[in-house]
Amino acid sequence: QLVESGGGLVQPGGSLRLSCAASGFSFGAYWMSWVRQAPGKGLEWVAITKQDGSEKYYVDSVTGRFSISRDNAKNSVYLQMNNVRAEDTALYYCANAGALRDDAFHAWGLGTMVTVSS
Amino acid sequence: SYVLIQAPSVSVAPGKTAMITCGGKNIGDKSVHWYQQRPGQAPVLVINHDTDRPSGIPERFSGSKSENTATLSISRVEAGDEADYYCQVWDSSGDRVFGGGTKLTVL
Repeated sequence: QLVESGGGLVQPGGSLRLSCAASGFSFGAYWMSWVRQAPGKGLEWVAITKQDGSEKYYVDSVTGRFSISRDNAKNSVYLQMNNVRAEDTALYYCANAGALRDDAFHAWGLGTMVTVSS
Repeated sequence: SYVLIQAPSVSVAPGKTAMITCGGKNIGDKSVHWYQQRPGQAPVLVINHDTDRPSGIPERFSGSKSENTATLSISRVEAGDEADYYCQVWDSSGDRVFGGGTKLTVL
């Protein structure tokens, strides 16, 4: 199970930290990722972290503004969002990205909504 | 960056077979995954690594791939299959990429 939290209304240029609590699987054995979906739009991959946090990748549009991290002791993954923009408004999903580098997103949370507006 | 192309919509009559395609340069060299997203719900993995069905996914769902196109086939389509379907791959740059999605309408 994956449960996201931390979403809400934030002003342009502001910051927000999303959290995802995992349970029911060996969290430290899997890549973990964030995927977002703007209202009425398709899925967009945002960021991913390797099992030990040694590798992290981001979609170009958030590079330098967002940071993904994980705490395997707490079975949690985070997304620090800085300098947010209106186009970051979306439902943010946490996803189990599998054990292998090219694995699928095996499980998803229900998402947490982020709205960027003044 | 790598791009995956999906038709925006596909329509099919109940009981028929729906074919949803995903085009990408040399997609035959990549592992393709497919997701179903019903309205108001989170996505669900329906095909893993080109052709594998996760536990709980009906046998009516199958995947195939050629050099530049991957296809999700849904046989004996039911009203409950009406949803958005997304293909996804891992790019060698480390990025994960989604197609734009295809809305399946059951007539």
